[in-house]
Amino acid sequence: RKEVEQDPGPFNVPEGATVAFNCTYSNSASQSFFWYRQDCRKEPKLLMSVYSSGNEDGRFTAQLNRASQYISLLIRDSKLSDSATYLCVVNIAAISGGYNKLIFGAGTRLAVHP
Amino acid sequence: DAGVTQSPTHLIKTRGQQVTLRCSPKSGHDTVSWYQQALGQGPQFIFQYYEEEERQRGNFPDRFSGHQFPNYSSELNVNALLLGDSALYLCASSLSASRRAQETQYFGPGTRLLVL
Repeated sequence: RKEVEQDPGPFNVPEGATVAFNCTYSNSASQSFFWYRQDCRKEPKLLMSVYSSGNEDGRFTAQLNRASQYISLLIRDSKLSDSATYLCVVNIAAISGGYNKLIFGAGTRLAVHP
Repeated sequence: DAGVTQSPTHLIKTRGQQVTLRCSPKSGHDTVSWYQQALGQGPQFIFQYYEEEERQRGNFPDRFSGHQFPNYSSELNVNALLLGDSALYLCASSLSASRRAQETQYFGPGTRLLVL
């Protein structure tokens, strides 16, 4: 079983649509959570951190459920420029410090069309 | 403020050869992590360097080794290349996890390696 699982998609949606991505993780030692965005043949870029209380950044809303080990990302009013792969990421860190590593899902592809 | 830089951008090697990839972290960052991203997959953690030492390693064979220099830059070396080593190699920098265990990692543009 993969440590972080995502629906690979692709999600094909029209401009203006609302789309939701889900992700589950298996390591209960995961300490922090992120969504990264990756454009074709580019590096991953941090989209937003994810908190249990839920957090919003413009059209993007992220939610974490630690009990269910479940992370979500909601994109409202989709734009053509939102087309990319969205990577669900958990951060595993040593309690006493010393290291941290990111565990990535395989990504969910989003294609927004006119 | 310079971001994470990597060189070279692209590289073609043949099986059995050795390769060295280079990374300079974002200004002010002292920790470098390396990831391998195969086509259609998410990045996989290779190892992390801090204070010139490897302090955590992912599930990669000893053919993968690294180094960190006093200026925090880093190298990834892969020996005895296999076809399956073809991938995008990403370097990420962050501030020491000993101070903030949840510090965000910022990625460089990557080196695309093709092994023939």
